[in-house]
Amino acid sequence: DAGVIQSPRHEVTEMGQEVTLRCKPISGHDYLFWYRQTMMRGLELLIYFNNNVPIDDSGMPEDRFSAKMPNASFSTLKIQPSEPRDSAVYFCASSFLSSSYNEQFFGPGTRLTVL
Amino acid sequence: AQSVAQPEDQVNVAEGNPLTVKCTYSVSGNPYLFWYVQYPNRGLQFLLKYITGDNLVKGSYGFEAEFNKSQTSFHLKKPSALVSDSALYFCAVRDNSGNTPLVFGKGTRLSVIA
Repeated sequence: DAGVIQSPRHEVTEMGQEVTLRCKPISGHDYLFWYRQTMMRGLELLIYFNNNVPIDDSGMPEDRFSAKMPNASFSTLKIQPSEPRDSAVYFCASSFLSSSYNEQFFGPGTRLTVL
Repeated sequence: AQSVAQPEDQVNVAEGNPLTVKCTYSVSGNPYLFWYVQYPNRGLQFLLKYITGDNLVKGSYGFEAEFNKSQTSFHLKKPSALVSDSALYFCAVRDNSGNTPLVFGKGTRLSVIA
């Protein structure tokens, strides 16, 4: 298995531009998570999906952030408009949680820099 | 509410010496506990987990962790540290009441010095 796939690996954009991050979870996994990692705030859970349905988006920082999961093999995290404080590493993770003690598998992350 | 505390931001240890990375947790029910490691410019990788049974759990790369219910701790240990163990380590917890996401600690940076 290729693991969780994220694209792009690096993104540099200017303030005000729209940014779209992409994630392909491990086949057969029914949960998908989006995290943001910064030096100041550590690892933050933004939103998670179960069977393509958003379950909890309370971690999404502002209305500028949105996430979708149109099917079991693809999810996007969009920031519009982007701001310099959005600069961070964004991770996607997936898990097969029919039994709640299964670990989450993380992608390599997307390093976002907003100038 | 679930929470995890990693009291040390940084742990330094000499190569060949034993290492310990501390973690304490708080959950309403019985905990499921995890350790992850993050190498530079990489995602988090699963190391080991405690679900039930033996309090000493063995994982990848020679790491182990001991579940202590009375102290609500799950410290990560290794008998002999390697320079290649230098990384960021995260403890995480979930209670067993349902399919809730893992709650991660802030991470502890381990530096193993040759």
